[in-house]
Amino acid sequence: KQEVTQIPAALSVPEGENLVLNCSFTDSAIYNLQWFRQDPGKGLTSLLLIQSSQREQTSGRLNASLDKSSGRSTLYIAASQPGDSATYLCAVSLRRGDKLIFGTGTRLQVFP
Amino acid sequence: GAGVSQTPSNKVTEKGKYVELRCDPISGHTALYWYRQSLGQGPEFLIYFQGTGAADDSGLPNDRFFAVRPEGSVSTLKIQRTERGDSAVYLCASSKQGNTEAFFGQGTRLTVV
Repeated sequence: KQEVTQIPAALSVPEGENLVLNCSFTDSAIYNLQWFRQDPGKGLTSLLLIQSSQREQTSGRLNASLDKSSGRSTLYIAASQPGDSATYLCAVSLRRGDKLIFGTGTRLQVFP
Repeated sequence: GAGVSQTPSNKVTEKGKYVELRCDPISGHTALYWYRQSLGQGPEFLIYFQGTGAADDSGLPNDRFFAVRPEGSVSTLKIQRTERGDSAVYLCASSKQGNTEAFFGQGTRLTVV
């Protein structure tokens, strides 16, 4: 059974720091991996989608890498800002169109 | 519409009552997913529709939960004889042909008292 783990569970940093959030999954046979952001009381906003054949994706200050063989992904946030404060969730899909299996998230706080 | 729309945004109901939660996906998205999120947890899969049919309902916790998508667009999640343990945020997502990114609605916060 595929399990997704995110470390750390919570993180508090001063503005301007570069951050790395970690996601690991037990079964390397994934179809894709997606990173989401969730603000309190809100739904999920898709940040980056990495297909199993890809190694990384970038969007602005965000960079996500995927190492399928070791079952790991990292989300790198450059020059963090208070507006980045949210919970970050990673999720994997095992087949095309299949359900997403989520981690429990990393709660990030960036203080001024 | 521009995004996935869920109604109501909040629902408080008494134990034992019946509730319906509605999801309006992004126009043209054939795949629709329901998830449930408890406090401090990641979303957990409930059911997945491809068009009008349920392609995977393995996440429904018991037979009190049922979902329909009669015309391949709007979906309704129905919960009978609600229990306090059903309290959670129910999230709906849609994607184009079940392949690309999943886009989520704002969720319905269900509270059973």
